[in-house]
Amino acid sequence: EPEVTQTPSHQVTQMGQEVILRCVPISNHLYFYWYRQILGQKVEFLVSFYNNEISEKSEIFDDQFSVERPDGSNFTLKIRSTKLEDSAMYFCASSGQGNTEAFFGQGTRLTVV
Amino acid sequence: GQQLNQSPQSMFIQEGEDVSMNCTSSSIFNTWLWYKQDPGEGPVLLIALYKAGELTSNGRLTAQFGITRKDSFLNISASIPSDVGIYFCAGQGSGTYKYIFGTGTRLKVLA
Repeated sequence: EPEVTQTPSHQVTQMGQEVILRCVPISNHLYFYWYRQILGQKVEFLVSFYNNEISEKSEIFDDQFSVERPDGSNFTLKIRSTKLEDSAMYFCASSGQGNTEAFFGQGTRLTVV
Repeated sequence: GQQLNQSPQSMFIQEGEDVSMNCTSSSIFNTWLWYKQDPGEGPVLLIALYKAGELTSNGRLTAQFGITRKDSFLNISASIPSDVGIYFCAGQGSGTYKYIFGTGTRLKVLA
């Protein structure tokens, strides 16, 4: 069964460092998302991406964040200068034609120290 | 902004019991999704609902899209230990790509 895959599963980084989280969405999907979940809290929307551009973003997704689809399969989230409060699980999701069901990856646990 | 409130926040039930949980909003949604999340894992899609009043089943799970389009309900019949986890609703409104997640219902099943 097709699935969304994310790497790495866990990333530890020093405050101020840049991190890139990687995702391979389901192959025929058109809509891509990043969400985050701070430990014990709900899943929060960060950004959606369609037709090679950001379609929507939340107030969390400030200038420190960027997304890219560098080729036909990968979808990345970059945090330029990490802060302690960026520590969270980051989930990539994708959905197909009609943008109905969104399927999530297993997540990357980001720990900023 | 849009907010989805789920109740109950948590529940302890005996194995074999039925479970009901709901998700309410002050905004109208066009699509409702229900997910289950195990610790350290990503949300797994359980059921998708696309029309007001729609009732959809997936095995022991049944979900309904509320008539007002501001709520949704999930029922689990004859619970088993592997039903343990956090259940999230997620809604998608008109003219938007994003899904808003609810606050979650943590389910614990006592064998």
